[in-house]
Amino acid sequence: EPEVTQTPSHQVTQMGQEVILRCVPISNHLYFYWYRQILGQKVEFLVSFYNNEISEKSEIFDDQFSVERPDGSNFTLKIRSTKLEDSAMYFCASSDIGLLGGYEQYFGPGTRLTVT
Amino acid sequence: SQQGEEDPQALSIQEGENATMNCSYKTSINNLQWYRQNSGRGLVHLILIRSNEREKHSGRLRVTLDTSKKSSSLLITASRAADTASYFCAPMDSNYQLIWGAGTKLIIKP
Repeated sequence: EPEVTQTPSHQVTQMGQEVILRCVPISNHLYFYWYRQILGQKVEFLVSFYNNEISEKSEIFDDQFSVERPDGSNFTLKIRSTKLEDSAMYFCASSDIGLLGGYEQYFGPGTRLTVT
Repeated sequence: SQQGEEDPQALSIQEGENATMNCSYKTSINNLQWYRQNSGRGLVHLILIRSNEREKHSGRLRVTLDTSKKSSSLLITASRAADTASYFCAPMDSNYQLIWGAGTKLIIKP
């Protein structure tokens, strides 16, 4: 069964460093998302991406964040200068319209980002 | 806030019993999705119920939706230890955005 994959599973970085989190969405999906979940807290939407551009973004997704689909398979989230409060689990998700227009989102296993 | 709100926040039951989790939301929705998350792991899509549906089944899962009350419930029948996880309802609004609550932490005692 197709699945969303994410690499790395765990990333440790120093404050101020740039990180790139990578995702490979399900191959025939057209909509891509990034979410984050700070330990013990709820899932927070960061950004959605469709047709090679951002379609929605949250207040969290400030100028420090960017997304890119550099080729036909990868979808990346870059954090330019990490802060301690960026430590969280980052989830990538992808969706298609689905059989009845449900836009079910399928999530990857997540990348745990630890900023020290 | 437009977020989904799950109730209860935590639920502990004996293996074999049924578990019911509830969800309320505030906005109009396109559909409502339920997800499971094992501790420290990713989110697994369980079931989607459309706004014009009232009930949906998938294996041991039964989901109801009452759009007049802006509420949904997830019933897990004959619970197993492996069902121990956090469960999230995620209403999808008219912009196709999922709205997340804090989840219900379900513990199944053997």
